[in-house]
Amino acid sequence: KAGVTQTPRYLIKTRGQQVTLSCSPISGHRSVSWYQQTPGQGLQFLFEYFSETQRNKGNFPGRFSGRQFSNSRSEMNVSTLELGDSALYLCASSLEAAIYEQYFGPGTRLTVT
Amino acid sequence: AQSVTQLDSQVPVFEEAPVELRCNYSSSVSVYLFWYVQYPNQGLQLLLKYLSGSTLVESINGFEAEFNKSQTSFHLRKPSVHISDTAEYFCAVLEGGSEKLVFGKGTKLTVNP
Repeated sequence: KAGVTQTPRYLIKTRGQQVTLSCSPISGHRSVSWYQQTPGQGLQFLFEYFSETQRNKGNFPGRFSGRQFSNSRSEMNVSTLELGDSALYLCASSLEAAIYEQYFGPGTRLTVT
Repeated sequence: AQSVTQLDSQVPVFEEAPVELRCNYSSSVSVYLFWYVQYPNQGLQLLLKYLSGSTLVESINGFEAEFNKSQTSFHLRKPSVHISDTAEYFCAVLEGGSEKLVFGKGTKLTVNP
C-alpha cells in the first residue's frame, strides 16, 4: 500500500505570491489533516477534511485555505505569502478520525523569500 | 484549550542507557494520547498511543509510555537505547470529540556511542 504522498517536496516563493500544496492520502483513508511545522511554533494544526467537508480548523488566518476532492486527495492554498509562512507543511491521513492512527507524508518544505 | 508540555527540548544519552522523555498535558475530561517520532527529513511516524484500558502501552521497538491521569502525564521510556533511536519525539493529545491533534514542541533525543 502506498503511503501518503505530498507534492512538491520543496518550494521557493516570494512574498505576496500564492502557493498550492497537494496531498494524496493512503488508499481508503477519508480523513486528511494539515499541519504547519516551524522551529519556533512546533507543529500546529491547520485544518482537517473528511468526505470533502472541513470538520475542524486551527487558529490560522484566512489566507490559509484547503479543500478535499471526491477521491480524498486534498490541497491547501496559502495566499499573499509572508516570510513567516516558511515552514514544513505536513499532511496526514487516517481512516475516519484523528483517534485512529494518522499516517504522515514527508512534507512540503516551503521557503518564502 | 488543550496544551502539551514536553519539558526537555534536548536529551543526550549514551547507547544502551535508559531514557525518559517527559510529557504533560492540560487536564481534560477525556483525552487520547500519542507519541510520534520524526527522523531527519521525514514525516512523523506513530510510536504508540493510549486510547483506553491499560495505562501502560508499548511499541514494537521497545518504547513504552504510561498514562497517569492524576499527574496528567504520558512519559515515554526505553530501558536501553540504540544509535538508531536518535530522532525527534513528539507527544500529542486529542480531546474526546475533537479531531485536532495538539502537539508538544518536541524532544530531540541524541544517542551517542
